[in-house]
Amino acid sequence: ETAVFQTPNYHVTQVGNEVSFNCKQTLGHDTMYWYKQDSKKLLKIMFSYNNKQLIVNETVPRRFSPQSSDKAHLNLRIKSVEPEDSAVYLCASSRLGEYEQYFGPGTRLTVL
Amino acid sequence: AQSVTQPDARVTVSEGASLQLRCKYSYSGTPYLFWYVQYPRQGLQLLLKYYSGDPVVQGVNGFEAEFIKSNSSFHLRKASVHWSDSAVYFCAVRGFNYGNEKITFGAGTKLTIKP
Repeated sequence: ETAVFQTPNYHVTQVGNEVSFNCKQTLGHDTMYWYKQDSKKLLKIMFSYNNKQLIVNETVPRRFSPQSSDKAHLNLRIKSVEPEDSAVYLCASSRLGEYEQYFGPGTRLTVL
Repeated sequence: AQSVTQPDARVTVSEGASLQLRCKYSYSGTPYLFWYVQYPRQGLQLLLKYYSGDPVVQGVNGFEAEFIKSNSSFHLRKASVHWSDSAVYFCAVRGFNYGNEKITFGAGTKLTIKP
């Protein structure tokens, strides 16, 4: 099956903890993305990454960092979570030269 | 800068009725336009896309959208909705030029289908 996969589906943690979310795509795409979707369904791009360039949205706090081992994987680490980090985190991918992005099912983070 | 406005946060339609979800975009160059749908507890799925050619583009599940350049609009339509169409719909725009890969999403329209 070719798609974008994310783990875990849900994660509950406490303020100050470190969390890491995984994303893998089997579509053979070159570029991967992380989005944050808040409780009002608003989508905000956090990072885009291909094997040459990481583009960071300047509004993303420094406690967030992407981690990639190869072009099929782009994980998201949050060093010390805050209550405002509670959201759904969506991973996506696209092929260079094509314009649509394909999304994973998301990871819902709840920070207590 | 590019932006997308979906003026209707919520739309309720009876099953079997026709549907139009509104979208207006702002982009100075040639836009690439999308409609995505998000079902509960799922990621976004591409419904349709447009970048050139016939301004009426067909998508999955009977959806279509019309690009009207003079109005900067890309409204989504369906002739007869089904209860399973209940979801959140996002309009999106990105630049057509290489190097501008950022997609900007609208705030979404939550569609509810009444039985």
